[in-house]
Amino acid sequence: AQTVTQSQPEMSVQEAETVTLSCTYDTSENNYYLFWYKQPPSRQMILVIRQEAYKQQNATENRFSVNFQKAAKSFSLKISDSQLGDTAMYFCACQGAQKLVFGQGTRLTINP
Amino acid sequence: NAGVTQTPKFQVLKTGQSMTLQCAQDMNHEYMSWYRQDPGMGLRLIHYSVGAGITDQGEVPNGYNVSRSTTEDFPLRLLSAAPSQTSVYFCASRLGLPRTYEQYFGPGTRLTVT
Repeated sequence: AQTVTQSQPEMSVQEAETVTLSCTYDTSENNYYLFWYKQPPSRQMILVIRQEAYKQQNATENRFSVNFQKAAKSFSLKISDSQLGDTAMYFCACQGAQKLVFGQGTRLTINP
Repeated sequence: NAGVTQTPKFQVLKTGQSMTLQCAQDMNHEYMSWYRQDPGMGLRLIHYSVGAGITDQGEVPNGYNVSRSTTEDFPLRLLSAAPSQTSVYFCASRLGLPRTYEQYFGPGTRLTVT
């Protein structure tokens, strides 16, 4: 079984600052993927970034990057130069062969 | 491609009523799933399907039925609605192994049971 834990229910930073969202996971599978999804008020689930567990190199997508620590089962998301449009719920998720399991989410607010 | 579509967008039911939430995808994805999202919580898996004719239970399957007669469609049936089933429901799909694990989500259905 997979479990995903996000220990920060809410975070708030000023525009242009850098913010890091934490996520830990557990899985018995050897081949899995990790994701960060963004959910704005529209409720649409938007993929932010993904990491293949077999890759050591941390994934990056423009202002978004991850710190993947496989031994520690940690997968944090760093948002650089934060923008007002980054305000949303952020969910960490672990995808095994069959199931995608989500964490509880972190509500991120970017203040002007 | 329309991607993943869900109907209806909103629904209000009385306790004990039944209904079907529709989900369709036009990407020829093998895997389809249903999730529910309660306030302040992440998405929890209800049922999933790895291909036409094959379904399995997720974390919270009680009170829901699914079937997968075609690759495109994956309806979710509420047999006898209860207030505890008030939630936002998301359908998702993805390609099967080994090509990609990325899931594509529909826009969600907000269901209220009174």
